[in-house]
Amino acid sequence: ETGVTQTPRHLVMGMTNKKSLKCEQHLGHNAMYWYKQSAKKPLELMFVYNFKEQTENNSVPSRFSPECPNSSHLFLHLHTLQPEDSALYLCASSQDPRQATNTGELFFGEGSRLTVL
Amino acid sequence: ELKVEQNPLFLSMQEGKNYTIYCNYSTTSDRLYWYRQDPGKSLESLFVLLSNGAVKQEGRLMASLDTKARLSTLHITAAVHDLSATYFCAVDMNSGNTPLVFGKGTRLSVIA
Repeated sequence: ETGVTQTPRHLVMGMTNKKSLKCEQHLGHNAMYWYKQSAKKPLELMFVYNFKEQTENNSVPSRFSPECPNSSHLFLHLHTLQPEDSALYLCASSQDPRQATNTGELFFGEGSRLTVL
Repeated sequence: ELKVEQNPLFLSMQEGKNYTIYCNYSTTSDRLYWYRQDPGKSLESLFVLLSNGAVKQEGRLMASLDTKARLSTLHITAAVHDLSATYFCAVDMNSGNTPLVFGKGTRLSVIA
């Protein structure tokens, strides 16, 4: 497989469920990101990991818990979500953004469409 | 705080016509990116602009960057239906640790 793959593509869950989103990148990148895309809102950055270390947590509620076991895999653990959390969750990867020689370009996965009932 | 503004947010244009989408940003940056998103799909990278005066073209799309004016343009030439999508610009804050900041997107609809 190439690029950035996300699973599941679609997820419906109740507010008391626990589920996880998975992202895997096959591009040899060091940085991985979670973005949230809601209707009528700009793309919202949630978390950034660089070399497995979290470098950004954009004031995300604790019901979202990220995990980055290595540079190729990123998870988003979901627990007691609210209906307003329904959105498209996009994973992205890039080369190390701290290296000036890198372009900083993000490569996105297909997204996981989450519906919270 | 870096702000990125696109206009227009909605654009309906006839096939064969030309139009320009604008992306303004509020702080110094010399890195700007354009992405395309089809409905229900992910974001696809279109252009990476890494210096003042950079111009890139792919098919009917041409992107340019003026870092002094803090402005990028995405010009559409002789639009075709296949270009219907949402186009996002994103700006790098040059800090190395802060990810891209995205505009709200321009939803383009090309009609016959």
